[in-house]
Amino acid sequence: AQKVTQAQTEISVVEKEDVTLDCVYETRDTTYYLFWYKQPPSGELVFLIRRNSFDEQNEISGRYSWNFQKSTSSFNFTITASQVVDSAVYFCALSSYNQGGKLIFGQGTELSVKP
Amino acid sequence: SAVISQKPSRDICQRGTSLTIQCQVDSQVTMMFWYRQQPGQSLTLIATANQGSEATYESGFVIDKFPISRPNLTFSTLTVSNMSPEDSSIYLCSGDFTNTEAFFGQGTRLTVV
Repeated sequence: AQKVTQAQTEISVVEKEDVTLDCVYETRDTTYYLFWYKQPPSGELVFLIRRNSFDEQNEISGRYSWNFQKSTSSFNFTITASQVVDSAVYFCALSSYNQGGKLIFGQGTELSVKP
Repeated sequence: SAVISQKPSRDICQRGTSLTIQCQVDSQVTMMFWYRQQPGQSLTLIATANQGSEATYESGFVIDKFPISRPNLTFSTLTVSNMSPEDSSIYLCSGDFTNTEAFFGQGTRLTVV
């Protein structure tokens, strides 16, 4: 069975601190996708990244970076120099390669960035 | 990337009534998905909707409670039937992802009183 675990329920940081959100997944598939989404208080899901299982290159996008390690089944997300606008719930998700948009979500991490 | 328009964005409904949520995609997609997010919880898949066939429901969800229509490749509806306060949730739809992202509608925030 597939499973995504985000062990950190809540994280609170002060603005400009770096913060890492952890994501550990379980799957028997050899090919799969991993995702991160941001959900602000308004409720919509904002897509951040999709990573294929065969591409372990780390990715950086502005203040955001992602560390994918198949050996530890982890796909961690780091925000550098956090800002108040980063406050939201962040979800990690997993899908099988042949399951289209059928996503298994982690429980989410609520990030609070204080000024 | 595709855009999904979902409506209504929010509603307050009386218990025992039904609400139909609509999702319109700006391009054709083979499958559409409906998710529920109960307060303070993660997202759980309700069902997968394909055109021309009955939706496939996940464990714990039944067609009588959550009937789904998929009349064409760009549109789907989810009805929440005979609502109770426990149905108060955010409901989101999504589609097959394209080359880069799995896109979601803006969500419907439902409160049942």
